[in-house]
Amino acid sequence: DIQMTQSPSSLSASVGDRVTITCQASQDISNFLNWYQQKPGKGPKLLIYDASNLEIGVPSRFSGSGSGTDFTFSINNLQPEDIATYYCQHYDNLPYTFGQGTKLEIK
Amino acid sequence: QLQLQESGPGLVKPSETLSLTCTVSGGSIRSSIYYWGWIRQPPGKGLEWIGSLYYSGSTYYNPSLKSRVTISVDTSKNQFSLKLSSVTAADTAVYYCARLEIRGGRVGAFDIWGQGTMVTVSS
Repeated sequence: DIQMTQSPSSLSASVGDRVTITCQASQDISNFLNWYQQKPGKGPKLLIYDASNLEIGVPSRFSGSGSGTDFTFSINNLQPEDIATYYCQHYDNLPYTFGQGTKLEIK
Repeated sequence: QLQLQESGPGLVKPSETLSLTCTVSGGSIRSSIYYWGWIRQPPGKGLEWIGSLYYSGSTYYNPSLKSRVTISVDTSKNQFSLKLSSVTAADTAVYYCARLEIRGGRVGAFDIWGQGTMVTVSS
């Protein structure tokens, strides 16, 4: 199985900040990577697919980049509603696996 | 707007079989551009893909669970189901059903999720 390692595991930032989360795959996965947002008590929401494509309806302050084994997810101009846990997920092959999550809190 | 809703018992005894159903509303499960899947999340932990299927009945399972998992589809009811046998406390989790869209010839983005259902394994 491909292991997905996210960092940091938790993050505290202020409204208006730029936040960056990284995800590293244990082998080359090209750009077959998605990013999700999960709020407490809810199912995850797809934000970014194919490493850098914004899902329809997702605010443009969210972005993703990377290919191969190293990926980055960013939030510009952090908003209070962005409090959530964020996960990366690869789909290069089966089984799909997820990163362990990054819990984002507002200072 | 397509919606997914999980249903099934919230409590299952150890060694028994966990059975859940996902009802698809607002769209057809028989679409050629979607797969359907199950994902679970133990309390306070991350996400684990369980398996996926196509409306024709083709299935794909996580090898870590393959010996205990069966995913099936009932197109007449617009539903798909999960059965997980010989459960233990380690199978206690929120279980989600989700849709996967075929994009660029690849399957792998879970673009719509159900709200999830908590299943506890306990005697």
